[in-house]
Amino acid sequence: GENVEQHPSTLSVQEGDSAVIKCTCSDSASNYFPWYKQELGKGPQLIIDIRSNVGEKKDQRIAVTLNKTAKHFSLHITETQPEDSAVYFCAAKEGGGNKLTFGTGTQLKVEL
Amino acid sequence: DSGVTQTPKHLITATGQRVTLRCSPRSGDLSVYWYQQSLDQGLQFLIQYYNGEERAKGNILERFSAQQFPDLHSELNLSSLELGDSALYFCASSVGTSGSARSGELFFGEGSRLTVL
Repeated sequence: GENVEQHPSTLSVQEGDSAVIKCTCSDSASNYFPWYKQELGKGPQLIIDIRSNVGEKKDQRIAVTLNKTAKHFSLHITETQPEDSAVYFCAAKEGGGNKLTFGTGTQLKVEL
Repeated sequence: DSGVTQTPKHLITATGQRVTLRCSPRSGDLSVYWYQQSLDQGLQFLIQYYNGEERAKGNILERFSAQQFPDLHSELNLSSLELGDSALYFCASSVGTSGSARSGELFFGEGSRLTVL
């Protein structure tokens, strides 16, 4: 089945710095790559997504890039703030299917 | 608030017991997904239902079963519980089989934390 690798598992940055989380998808047929943010005690929430026909997408301080050939996709958070501290999950949807396969998550800590 | 309701929020039980977790999807959503989140592990897909029918199956143990009722709420049944079943169980919903207009967006509940002693 599909496998999604995510790294790093933990990331600590200073407030105002940028954070980058990287994922690799094993299924070349995957065509949808969302990113979810999970705050403590809550369920994951979609923050941004990208489809396989787009190389980059930006939403304010958050951007996602996709290298479909290499099956890499990344989340970039600029000007990090304390409220960005959370666990971030990348995911991929199997081509033709509807099941989302998640990465193992990145614990992001933004320090003052 | 995602609109997905899960009960109970916390559950403590003993090995060998059986529990039922309940999920009410967002109004209008036909698909329900169950995920297991263990310590140091990501979200492991268990099973998906669409309008009452099983649509996709993941790494769900034979001791676990689920169903979706005519009113679209879903239940996840966990039996012969083992210590390793302790985890957060999330329910998520989406409009169709492929999600909402964002094609795959899942709306997650806050989870049911199961502790098996």
